[in-house]
Amino acid sequence: NAGVTQTPKFRVLKTGQSMTLLCAQDMNHEYMYWYRQDPGMGLRLIHYSVGEGTTAKGEVPDGYNVSRLKKQNFLLGLESAAPSQTSVYFCATTGFSYNEQFFGPGTRLTVL
Amino acid sequence: EDQVTQSPEALRLQEGESSSLNCSYTVSGLRGLFWYRQDPGKGPEFLFTLYSAGEEKEKERLKATLTKKESFLHITAPKPEDSATYLCAVQAYGNNNAGNMLTFGGGTRLMVKP
Repeated sequence: NAGVTQTPKFRVLKTGQSMTLLCAQDMNHEYMYWYRQDPGMGLRLIHYSVGEGTTAKGEVPDGYNVSRLKKQNFLLGLESAAPSQTSVYFCATTGFSYNEQFFGPGTRLTVL
Repeated sequence: EDQVTQSPEALRLQEGESSSLNCSYTVSGLRGLFWYRQDPGKGPEFLFTLYSAGEEKEKERLKATLTKKESFLHITAPKPEDSATYLCAVQAYGNNNAGNMLTFGGGTRLMVKP
């Protein structure tokens, strides 16, 4: 039981490049979330999903897209990376019987 | 708009020196207040959920309390292994939070020296 896993752990991109971050959970949870964490700013919600095939915008969605084609996976895409997207990205999940969210180990992204 | 402010931003303690971390919040109907611990290079790890004013929860050297405007995380006789960043978050009721979203504070970085 791995819980929440994120791929990759680290990535360096050049401005304008694209990439996809993968979050996978084996907890059979309905809800999934993507956050970014920047120094002094805490965790800010980018996008979230309340179920397979559904997504919604969070606090800071600009420049990102998401997809939830399977219940266990939540993908975060950057179509044209910018230096302002340098951050640590966390995926989280929770289910109907929980209030707390369970977090993955994070992906450190640097955009040059 | 829900807001969470944590203080201090950083706290240095000697081993055994008890102290408290503060989390002030404004929320349109509190469903729950959450405390997480985050170690460097790792994801946040859930500690406690508090639901109503007056509620208290304990885990080892940590005790969380809740009032209508703030929450405190009391650390009694801390050890170096308690060093981490502690995050506070709130969850609101209502149609605007159909996704059970959390609003986080900026965190308090705790350093406990032996």
